[in-house]
Amino acid sequence: GQQVMQIPQYQHVQEGEDFTTYCNSSTTLSNIQWYKQRPGGHPVFLIQLVKSGEVKKQKRLTFQFGEAKKNSSLHITATQTTDVGTYFCAGLRIAGNMLTFGGGTRLMVKP
Amino acid sequence: NAGVMQNPRHLVRRRGQEARLRCSPMKGHSHVYWYRQLPEEGLKFMVYLQKENIIDESGMPKERFSAEFPKEGPSILRIQQVVRGDSAAYFCASSPIRAEETQYFGPGTRLLVL
Repeated sequence: GQQVMQIPQYQHVQEGEDFTTYCNSSTTLSNIQWYKQRPGGHPVFLIQLVKSGEVKKQKRLTFQFGEAKKNSSLHITATQTTDVGTYFCAGLRIAGNMLTFGGGTRLMVKP
Repeated sequence: NAGVMQNPRHLVRRRGQEARLRCSPMKGHSHVYWYRQLPEEGLKFMVYLQKENIIDESGMPKERFSAEFPKEGPSILRIQQVVRGDSAAYFCASSPIRAEETQYFGPGTRLLVL
């Protein structure tokens, strides 16, 4: 079956440092979505990428979808304590009917 | 415009009892997904339902677990004869049309089995 892997599993950064999480799928994806889950909270949708090589930005967050549509990354510039949480990617395989979530990257920001 | 509703938010059961978790999708959404999240772990897909139909239950254990989404009323995830290993957060998500759309998550039900 389809597998979606995320690395790293955990990341500690000093406030102001950059952060990147990577997502890799075992199969080509129709689209990829990113979610953020604050501690004790529920996943909240951030963005969806559909096109090969697509890059989208949301303020300090930059999302990329690989040319082969099998990998993706989320980069946060100059992290803040409000960025703390777990970031999940979720891939929809072509002709699939459900998302497969990666294991998540837990970001901790030290003030 | 209410989001996805789940109740109860917290549920405590003793081993062998039944747990019944409810999910009301967002208004206008006809697709419901259930996920399980163990502490400090990722989201594990359990089941995907549309009204009166189970579309994909490949992530749901064959025994003790069942799910439904009736024509009227919320979606129900039922766990019979709970064991300690069932302790987890159970999230429901809904989407308007299909999985390609954004999934909106409910606040989750935290199940604790004593």
